[in-house]
Amino acid sequence: DTAVSQTPKYLVTQMGNDKSIKCEQNLGHDTMYWYKQDSKKFLKIMFSYNNKELIINETVPNRFSPKSPDKAHLNLHINSLELGDSAVYFCASSLTSGRDFRFGPGTRLTVT
Amino acid sequence: DAKTTQPPSMDCAEGRAANLPCNHSTISGNEYVYWYRQIHSQGPQYIIHGLKNNETNEMASLIITEDRKSSTLILPHATLRDTAVYYCIVRVEGQGGKLIFGQGTELSVKP
Repeated sequence: DTAVSQTPKYLVTQMGNDKSIKCEQNLGHDTMYWYKQDSKKFLKIMFSYNNKELIINETVPNRFSPKSPDKAHLNLHINSLELGDSAVYFCASSLTSGRDFRFGPGTRLTVT
Repeated sequence: DAKTTQPPSMDCAEGRAANLPCNHSTISGNEYVYWYRQIHSQGPQYIIHGLKNNETNEMASLIITEDRKSSTLILPHATLRDTAVYYCIVRVEGQGGKLIFGQGTELSVKP
C-alpha cells in the first residue's frame, strides 16, 4: 500500500541526455511536489502542482519540465542533463491545505 | 514562514531520551511547529506537530515553551534506528504550499 512511489530508484546517465522520473500517489491528495537534495544534503523545493496546475516554480532551469497528467501523477523531465543535476530527487504530496505531507523514497540521479 | 535554528549535530546513548531543541523566535501566532526526520537519504518522515500545547504520539513528544519561541522534540527511548537528520519547520497550518527545510540536526544514537 505504497503512498508515494517514484521510478526509477536509481538513474545513471551521461551529460547531455534527456531523462524522466515518474511519481504517483494513491492518497487522494490534490497537491504534488518535487524536491531536490544535493550532495550537501540540503532539501529544496523545485515545483508544486495543485489539481494538475503549476503553483510553485522555484527558479528552476527551463531544462526541468514537470508534467501532471492527473492529480495522482507528477513526472519530472530533464533535458540536456548536466553534472550539477546529480542529486536525489524526492516527490511529495499533500492535501491542498498542506496537511498530510508525505514524501516518496527518492530517485538518485547520477550524471557522468 | 518563520526561520528556525537547530544545532547541527547531537549524540545520544541508546535507550536514553533524545532531546532535540529548536529556536523559532520570530514565529507568528498562527504558525505551527512541525518536526520531520530523514533516515539515511530516505524520504523525510513526519513525526509530530503542535501549536501551543505539548503534544505526544507514538513516536515522540513535542514541548513548546509558553512564549512559543522555542520547542524541544523528545524521543523517550532512543534506538539505533532513530539515527537521522531531524528538521524543525514552522508553517501556517491549513495553508497550502511547500515545506521549507533548514539544515536540521543530525542525531547519532550510539550503543
